[in-house]
Amino acid sequence: DGGITQSPKYLFRKEGQNVTLSCEQNLNHDAMYWYRQDPGQGLRLIYYSQIVNDFQKGDIAEGYSVSREKKESFPLTVTSAQKNPTAFYLCASDGGQGEYEQYFGPGTRLTVT
Amino acid sequence: AQKITQTQPGMFVQEKEAVTLDCTYDTSDQSYGLFWYKQPSSGEMIFLIYQGSYDEQNATEGRYSLNFQKARKSANLVISASQLGDSAMYFCAMRERSIGSSNTGKLIFGQGTTLQVKP
Repeated sequence: DGGITQSPKYLFRKEGQNVTLSCEQNLNHDAMYWYRQDPGQGLRLIYYSQIVNDFQKGDIAEGYSVSREKKESFPLTVTSAQKNPTAFYLCASDGGQGEYEQYFGPGTRLTVT
Repeated sequence: AQKITQTQPGMFVQEKEAVTLDCTYDTSDQSYGLFWYKQPSSGEMIFLIYQGSYDEQNATEGRYSLNFQKARKSANLVISASQLGDSAMYFCAMRERSIGSSNTGKLIFGQGTTLQVKP
C-alpha cells in the first residue's frame, strides 16, 4: 500500500535536546511538506521541498531544520532554538506542480518538558 | 495576502440531517484550488473534496458537496445525511496555482470547525 509513514506517533523530550521526526513516502511524489498544528488551530507550514537536495522555509521555520537527500524521505529536526516545540507535526506529499491533493501522514505528537 | 476564514468554531447537527460548514477566502490570484479536509480525533488529515477556481460546476463527492460562490469568495462544505462518524474537525484550505511562477504548492489552512453529530 502506498502512503506516508511518520514515526513515532508520540515523542517525549527534555527541553534543550534536539529531536528528529521521520517522514517517509512511497508514493513517488516529488514534493514534501512539514506542518505544525497547535491545539484547536489550523496547520502552519514549517518547510517544504519540491525536489531532492532542495528545500525552502515556510511560514514558521525558525528553530527547525530539514534535509532531503532521498526522494522518499524528508526528516524534520526540532532544535533547542525552537521556543515552543510541543505540538502535533504533520508531514505531507504531493506530485508537485500544485495540481494534486496533498496526502498526509498520521502525524507525530511531540511533547517537550 | 492569502487567507482562509472559518467563522464557526463548533457546530452541532442531528444524525441524518444536512449541515453546512462555512469558508471564505481571500486571494488576488485568478487561479487557485480550494480543499476540504476532515481531521478525526486520531489526528490524520483526510481529503474530502476539491474545487478549482475555473471549475464551473460545484464539486461533489458522495455525501460531500462544495457550494462555490466565486464572486463572494466562499467555498462552503455541505454534508448531507450526517452520520455519527462525521464528528471531527473540518478544515478549509487553499492552494495557489499561479501559472508560470514558482508554485510552492503549500496549503493555507483556516482555523477549522469542530462538528458534532448527535444521535
